[in-house]
This record gives sequence, structure tokens and C-alpha cells, in this order.
Amino acid sequence: DIQMTQSPSTLSASVGDRVTITCRASQSISNFLAWYQQKPGKAPNLLIYKASSLESGVPLRFSGSGSGTEFTLTISSLQPDDVATYYCQQYNGYSYTFGQGTKLEIK
Amino acid sequence: QVQLQESGPGLVKPSETLSLTCTVSGGAMSSNYWSWIRQSPGKGLEWIGYIYYSGSTNYNPSLKSRVTMSVDTSKNHFSLKLSSVTAADTAVYYCARTAADCFDSWGQGTLVTVSS
Repeated sequence: DIQMTQSPSTLSASVGDRVTITCRASQSISNFLAWYQQKPGKAPNLLIYKASSLESGVPLRFSGSGSGTEFTLTISSLQPDDVATYYCQQYNGYSYTFGQGTKLEIK
Repeated sequence: QVQLQESGPGLVKPSETLSLTCTVSGGAMSSNYWSWIRQSPGKGLEWIGYIYYSGSTNYNPSLKSRVTMSVDTSKNHFSLKLSSVTAADTAVYYCARTAADCFDSWGQGTLVTVSS
């Protein structure tokens, strides 16, 4: 199994801050990496696919980068609506695994 | 826009079989993969497996021996059966459309508790 490790586990930032979350894969996954946002009591919502492609309808302040084993999700200017838990997810051709999540809070 | 809705019992006894159905609306099931994913406090998000509209399947190796998925495109739904459940199978279960390498539409989720 490919393990996905996110950091940090919890992040506190101010409105307007640039925020970065990192996801590392235990082996290379090319660019088969997606990011999701999950708010309490709701299903995860796809933000980014193929490491850097923005899903339709997702605000432009969200961006993704990386390839191989190291990936980042960046929020260029944090908004109050961005309070949520963020998950990365990999696909290796036959199975999928998720990171443990990063809880994002507003200071 | 496609919408998904899970349904099934919220309480299952240990050693019995968990059965859930996902109804798809707003789009055709054809040419798509459909997954089940669960989320528990202890194990986070875990992909259970997917089924293609044609009926072919791919299951998570860690659950493969207990999982069966089926699809009925005439009724626009697909189903999950998980046998020999224990308390460790207590989770929120989601169905999702699988866009090759990610999950682009999700149901709202249904909590299944395993308890006697």
C-alpha cells in the first residue's frame, strides 16, 4: 500500500494569509494526486485533481503543485469559508489511499 | 449535475452483513466507475472498492474477502455488501462517482453502527 502523510495535522492562520499544506507519498505516484475539502457533517468535496488541475467551480485562490512523492495545496488568501479539514488522495493504478487530514482553523 | 444518495440500515449486528444502496440521479451510470468509501475516527477515509457500470469490480485488498458490489443500471443504483462485520466497521459510508484517479461527486454519507 502507498502511504500518504500530510503536514501539519492542524494549522491556524489569519484571514488573508497564504496557507500551504504538504502531502508526501511513500513511493512515486506521478501526478495522480487529488485534494479535498471537508466541512463538519458533510462529504469531502474535490478541489484539485492530477496534482494541479482546479475542479470546476472551485475558487481560484486554491492551487496545487508537485509530482512524484511531494505535493502541496496552497490557499493564496485565506477566507473564513475555508475553515475545514483538507485531505490528499493518491491513485496508483489499482487502489486509492487518503492522507490523515489537515484541520485548518482561523486565528 | 449528478447526485448520489446512500440508503440502508443504520444499525447492524456483529457478524452480520452490512448492505447499502446508492441511487444515482441527474446523470447516466454508463461509462463511469462508482465507488464506496468509508470514514471512521480511527481509520480516516478508506476506499472500499469500485464497480464499473458493466459490473466489473476492483476492491481494496484489505477488505476484498468480505466485500461484494453490484450494479443495476436500469434502476440507476449500485450496492455494497460487507460481510462478517465487527465494531471496527462502524463508520460513515459514502458512495462516489470515480473519475479514474479521483472522486468527483459524493453522496451525503450514511452512518452505519455495528452493535448488538
